[in-house]
Amino acid sequence: AQSVSQHNHHVILSEAASLELGCNYSYGGTVNLFWYVQYPGQHLQLLLKYFSGDPLVKGIKGFEAEFIKSKFSFNLRKPSVQWSDTAEYFCAVNAKAAGNKLTFGGGTRVLVKP
Amino acid sequence: NAGVTQTPKFQVLKTGQSMTLQCAQDMNHNSMYWYRQDPGMGLRLIYYSASEGTTDKGEVPNGYNVSRLNKREFSLRLESAAPSQTSVYFCASSEAPSGPQETQYFGPGTRLLVL
Repeated sequence: AQSVSQHNHHVILSEAASLELGCNYSYGGTVNLFWYVQYPGQHLQLLLKYFSGDPLVKGIKGFEAEFIKSKFSFNLRKPSVQWSDTAEYFCAVNAKAAGNKLTFGGGTRVLVKP
Repeated sequence: NAGVTQTPKFQVLKTGQSMTLQCAQDMNHNSMYWYRQDPGMGLRLIYYSASEGTTDKGEVPNGYNVSRLNKREFSLRLESAAPSQTSVYFCASSEAPSGPQETQYFGPGTRLLVL
């Protein structure tokens, strides 16, 4: 079945460490890619998105993601995390092949230790 | 602007009871969505409404019904709750009628426990 996979379910790291969260999808054709974040006790909110153009996308709070079409991946990165980055991160894909509905990965819980 | 609001925040039901989750948005968005979030499974689409007056099934519609009451409001009903429906439910809205480049805006969620 077509899906969105986030391979890390939980990540624990210290402040100032670098973060990379993997996201792979299995849809062919045109895709639109998103990362959403859910901070403790808050709504899901958009972190960044890719539709076309430069495959390296910059989002809020110093996050960026790179779309690699050949690898069906859209990994999220941040060079130096802060305690306030503790959250759950969701990759999501909107694909024409999936009826243009948003499909979410399972999420990755990130805990940043102060 | 309140954005997307959901009521109630938390609910406990007994198996077989019914309830309606309410969602409203004040952003004049055309499309609205209901998701459920279960550990390790991300968010799964239950139903959506591309525009006022239309509703369509998502990935996991069984056991649920929806009503797009007007442009602002989209409710989710459980007619006979089952323990498998214990979950966190999120409502979302977007400006475009299910356009692929839309950003969805989420409500705070409703935690539902079915005993």
